[in-house]
Amino acid sequence: AQSVTQLGSHVSVSEGALVLLRCNYSSSVPPYLFWYVQYPNQGLQLLLKYTTGATLVKGINGFEAEFKKSETSFHLTKPSAHMSDAAEYFCAVSDLVFGNEKLTFGTGTRLTIIP
Amino acid sequence: SQTIHQWPATLVQPVGSPLSLECTVEGTSNPNLYWYRQAAGRGLQLLFYSVGIGQISSEVPQNLSASRPQDRQFILSSKKLLLSDSGFYLCAWSTGGSYQPQHFGDGTRLSIL
Repeated sequence: AQSVTQLGSHVSVSEGALVLLRCNYSSSVPPYLFWYVQYPNQGLQLLLKYTTGATLVKGINGFEAEFKKSETSFHLTKPSAHMSDAAEYFCAVSDLVFGNEKLTFGTGTRLTIIP
Repeated sequence: SQTIHQWPATLVQPVGSPLSLECTVEGTSNPNLYWYRQAAGRGLQLLFYSVGIGQISSEVPQNLSASRPQDRQFILSSKKLLLSDSGFYLCAWSTGGSYQPQHFGDGTRLSIL
């Protein structure tokens, strides 16, 4: 079974600083990986996904993530944090169950932006 | 474009009362549908998923049930709510295929008194 580990349940960065949210996965097969963002009292919104091809994936709101197979990682970054980036972020890996695809989520990282 | 609707947005129910949460998807056919629960400060727990009308798979044995009476309608129910059923319930859909993302509704905040 696949699993996802998000290191750091809370991350604080200053406005304008680099954002780095860590995600490591375990999978016996090539994974499909996703990052979602959740604002308070809202559902999850897809930020970006990796399926195949280019290992550096660009998403919405200036975020990007790099798939590193050798490190089993899919860390999320943004060069310059904005106040509006404050939210909870979830990394997820797809379970390859034939005929019914499920996502396994990490426990999330709450990002706080310091003015 | 596709949209997903969940209602109600918030719900306060007494212990022992029944529950019905509804989710509908527009703009797509035969979607995979999912119910999740998110407890305070925790990640997402998959409760049920469905690949078609009348086809429901349960992930966690519990006090809840799900039904899919129509292609784009997914209902989460309970006959008698427990205090532990409190949480944020999210419905999601996908087009199928492991590489396809899931798209989430805005959720229902359920409080049990």
